[in-house]
Amino acid sequence: DIQMTQSPSTVSASVGDRVIITCRASQSITWLAWYQQKPGKAPKLLIYKASSLEGGVSSRFSGSGSGTEFTLTINSLQPDDFATYYCQQYNTYSLFTFGPGTKVDMK
Amino acid sequence: EVQLVESGGALVQPGGSLRLSCAASGFTFSSYWMSWVRQPPGKGLEWVANIKTDGNEKHYVDSVKGRFTISRDNAQNSLYLQMDTLRAEDTAVYFCARAGDRNYFRGQGTLVTVSS
Repeated sequence: DIQMTQSPSTVSASVGDRVIITCRASQSITWLAWYQQKPGKAPKLLIYKASSLEGGVSSRFSGSGSGTEFTLTINSLQPDDFATYYCQQYNTYSLFTFGPGTKVDMK
Repeated sequence: EVQLVESGGALVQPGGSLRLSCAASGFTFSSYWMSWVRQPPGKGLEWVANIKTDGNEKHYVDSVKGRFTISRDNAQNSLYLQMDTLRAEDTAVYFCARAGDRNYFRGQGTLVTVSS
């Protein structure tokens, strides 16, 4: 099974900051997504296939990486960006796996 | 626009059963794999199950194998999750999602509470 880890688990940041979240897979993958989730809401797709920006998502969000190490970068953090972020591997339909999440809160 | 609306959540006793439904619209339902994902209160997301376009291939997370059954009705644009022998640790909000190169969640989820 493919295991996913994320770091940090929490990041305290201010409006205007750059935030970088790291996701690691236990084996090499191609299909990696990033989601933003706010309390009581469904996860919102931000990035798919590691680095492709979902339509309608701000260009302040970017994804990079390959193999087993991936990053989500949020440039110029905005008030609406305070949320929890999850990575997800979907390399094969037989098993999807989410990372444990990273909460971005206000410093 | 992709729309997914989950329903069927309830309070159920341990050992009981429940059937969740997901009504899909805004896309060609029969062309996409579909997923169920759950989120226990205050915790992270957990993938539960996937089903192929024609319903002939299904995959489950180990913790629900033998207890949960995913199914679909392409004529009704609907996805289902039959949950049997429910346990306290199955308590969660359950989301359905459209799977593919991009996985979409759209509904608010439906809450399943397993408690006596």
